[in-house]
Amino acid sequence: AQKITQTQPGMFVQEKEAVTLDCTYDTSDQSYGLFWYKQPSSGEMIFLIYQGSYDEQNATEGRYSLNFQKARKSANLVISASQLGDSAMYFCAMREGQEYGNKLVFGAGTILRVKS
Amino acid sequence: ETGVTQTPRHLVMGMTNKKSLKCEQHLGHNAMYWYKQSAKKPLELMFVYNFKEQTENNSVPSRFSPECPNSSHLFLHLHTLQPEDSALYLCASSQGWTGGYNEQFFGPGTRLTVL
Repeated sequence: AQKITQTQPGMFVQEKEAVTLDCTYDTSDQSYGLFWYKQPSSGEMIFLIYQGSYDEQNATEGRYSLNFQKARKSANLVISASQLGDSAMYFCAMREGQEYGNKLVFGAGTILRVKS
Repeated sequence: ETGVTQTPRHLVMGMTNKKSLKCEQHLGHNAMYWYKQSAKKPLELMFVYNFKEQTENNSVPSRFSPECPNSSHLFLHLHTLQPEDSALYLCASSQGWTGGYNEQFFGPGTRLTVL
């Protein structure tokens, strides 16, 4: 089974609106971490936000928030007030238990296009 | 220089060539990673080094040979590659390999084309 599933290959959003990028994960570990990265056309992966499996609050970083629903095994990224510079590829990733070290498993990604 | 740097940014090579990719991190981290990003495939972890010791080899073909002379530098030596090895190769580093939250910082990548 896929460890990380991003079901939206591409998304469009109007500038200044909010957008949600979906991510579901599969793990039997109790301790794990979820990450979101942004990859602009330049290629560099930029860390956006992190959610630990034991964190009770949803993570927030500026315009980024993570809608963490543990029972559903989903970790959707919400971008508020979209900007043209948000156009990029977005990857969800998971780090499983300590025995796997800091190994990240990535989803296939979602391309986001912000329209003016 | 800050963060994670990679050279060259673009590389075109023939199948019989030998070339090397270089990664350098200026963050004082102890773990370094090589990833391969092919078109229409998720990012794939290739190798991990922690304190210069290889801790992960994700069944990578021997035509890819990593080298980590110190915690700041990581190389990927390439020889007799195949056209399907054409991809974006990303280097990353993190403070550690184990022990809680360890965000990975990525370099800009090397776009490799094998003819």
